[in-house]
Amino acid sequence: DAMVIQNPRYQVTQFGKPVTLSCSQTLNHNVMYWYQQKSSQAPKLLFHYYDKDFNNEADTPDNFQSRRPNTSFCFLDIRSPGLGDAAMYLCATSGTGVETNEKLFFGSGTQLSVL
Amino acid sequence: AQKITQTQPGMFVQEKEAVTLDCTYDTSDPSYGLFWYKQPSSGEMIFLIYQGSYDQQNATEGRYSLNFQKARKSANLVISASQLGDSAMYFCAMRVPAGGSYIPTFGRGTSLIVHP
Repeated sequence: DAMVIQNPRYQVTQFGKPVTLSCSQTLNHNVMYWYQQKSSQAPKLLFHYYDKDFNNEADTPDNFQSRRPNTSFCFLDIRSPGLGDAAMYLCATSGTGVETNEKLFFGSGTQLSVL
Repeated sequence: AQKITQTQPGMFVQEKEAVTLDCTYDTSDPSYGLFWYKQPSSGEMIFLIYQGSYDQQNATEGRYSLNFQKARKSANLVISASQLGDSAMYFCAMRVPAGGSYIPTFGRGTSLIVHP
């Protein structure tokens, strides 16, 4: 019954080796978000998609890219991971994205380690 | 710019007691939504409760209630009858309009530990 699915749950990569994290949803939501969360910190928004419209946060490093090939899937690409990119990456969705009362539906996250 | 502040890095409560987790916010937009999420050690964020800026009454969801004081810009979460399973990180979040859509912003979180 999982509605937002992230794979893998744990990902280990080497310094500088590209890595892709995936997210899928069965909710048919228009909006998908990628958050980065480091230990004991607030989730930090990296990107969000409103349908196919891509929105990049101003302080998201160029090292991070994203793709949304269709409504259901969204990918986070880290082109050259550094040690500072080790974090939990959370994918979330919401309905239309234009109402204040729309809660976020989160996946279980991908914990990324960089060696 | 919108901002969420959670000043309590950690809280402790005895099982079956009530606990209040503080949250203050700042926004110039009259229309906004306030949320609380729970994040257990497993990592998944779980929605708990929502309060709209125009709502006249405080929101309640089972053992969770939101003490909304608009003039003070505070939205504190009250958990009644704490259970061991309530031990987790709790995040306050605000949703405000930004460029045609609404962007959620999170506070730094409060770690709650429930003692038996």
